[in-house]
Amino acid sequence: DIQMTQSPSSLSASVGDRVTITCRASQSISRYLNWYQQKPGKAPKILIYAASGLQSGVPSRFSGSGSGTDFTLTISSLQPEDFATYYCQQSYSIPPYTFGQGTKLEIK
Amino acid sequence: QEQLVESGGDVVQPGSSLTLSCVGSGFTFSSSGMHWVRQAPGKGLEWVAIVWNDGINKYYADSVKGRFTISRDNSKNTIYLQMNSLRAEDTAVYYCATDDYFGSGSFPGFGIWGQGTMVTVSS
Repeated sequence: DIQMTQSPSSLSASVGDRVTITCRASQSISRYLNWYQQKPGKAPKILIYAASGLQSGVPSRFSGSGSGTDFTLTISSLQPEDFATYYCQQSYSIPPYTFGQGTKLEIK
Repeated sequence: QEQLVESGGDVVQPGSSLTLSCVGSGFTFSSSGMHWVRQAPGKGLEWVAIVWNDGINKYYADSVKGRFTISRDNSKNTIYLQMNSLRAEDTAVYYCATDDYFGSGSFPGFGIWGQGTMVTVSS
């Protein structure tokens, strides 16, 4: 099974900051990498598909990049509503559909 | 409006059984593969199972294989998760989600999510 590792596990930042979260796969997954945002008590929602595709309705301050084993999610200018937990997920070798352990983005 | 609604969560004893349901609306349910994903309290997301739109092909996480059964009834726009031999480590919020394909239909992902239903396994 492909393992997904995110870093950092938690991150403190301020409104307006540029933030980058990293996700690494245990083997090459081409561009089969999705990013999800989850707010407390809510279901996750997809932000980025295929490593860099912006899901409809997601603000353009969110962007994704990478291919192979290393990927990043960047938020260009943090807004108050962006404080949440972010998960990467691979869809290259499925099943199983594996997630990273999550990155909790908190207000500094 | 596309929507999934889960139900059936409860507090049960170790070793017991429970069945969860998930009803879909606002999209072509019979064309969608459907997943169960769970999240233990304070933990990350764990994929549990998928049933393809035909109801025949099914896959499970190793942690639930042999104990959980996923099924669907397209006439009722509903999927189920029959959970047997429940353990404390099965305690989680259980979400259903659609199996969608993004980027011109080439890249799988979880599209529509329900609000989740809580299962607590405790003596």
